Amino acid sequence: SQKIEQNSEALNIQEGKTATLTCNYTNYSPAYLQWYRQDPGRGPVFLLLIRENEKEKRKERLKVTFDTTLKQSLFHITASQPADSATYLCALDESGYALNFGKGTSLLVTP
Amino acid sequence: KAGVTQTPRYLIKTRGQQVTLSCSPISGHRSVSWYQQTPGQGLQFLFEYFSETQRNKGNFPGRFSGRQFSNSRSEMNVSTLELGDSALYLCASSFGTLNEKLFFGSGTQLSVL
Repeated sequence: SQKIEQNSEALNIQEGKTATLTCNYTNYSPAYLQWYRQDPGRGPVFLLLIRENEKEKRKERLKVTFDTTLKQSLFHITASQPADSATYLCALDESGYALNFGKGTSLLVTP
Repeated sequence: KAGVTQTPRYLIKTRGQQVTLSCSPISGHRSVSWYQQTPGQGLQFLFEYFSETQRNKGNFPGRFSGRQFSNSRSEMNVSTLELGDSALYLCASSFGTLNEKLFFGSGTQLSVL
């Protein structure tokens, strides 16, 4: 069956450090992969989309890598700030059926 | 541009009742998807509508249904509510036919007592 796995344990880091979140998947051949941020009691907010022919994508302090051989995406937040504290979700779609989400990794950035 | 609007924000129902949730997508967006989010299962896909047609449906019982109107607004209905239906129901809209860059509403928090 198709699976999207993200670290279930919360990630606690110090302000200013780089946070790295992992998304692994099985039984998908995705054309693209997306990352979303979700704050408590709110809907997810789109952050980045990376396509299968792109190895890396950047947006301000965010960087995403996509390795289709390893079936893995890494999501980096550089110079992290307390305002970056949230749950980050990885999402995959295959064949345009539905966008499926991982359960997310909770990030806590402390001053 | 206004975002995705979901109403009501909170809802309390009892077992056996039915409920209708509403979603207004971003102007110009023709695709609307619905998700159920619970702490244990995360976000689970319910169904997706494009131009008033249900294109895809997730693995949920027939008690869960939806529809989309000509102005792209969408409703979902849950009949014969069960305790396990307590969840945050999220609606998302997107411009095209692909599931790229979904815009989510804040959700409807449904509690079934």
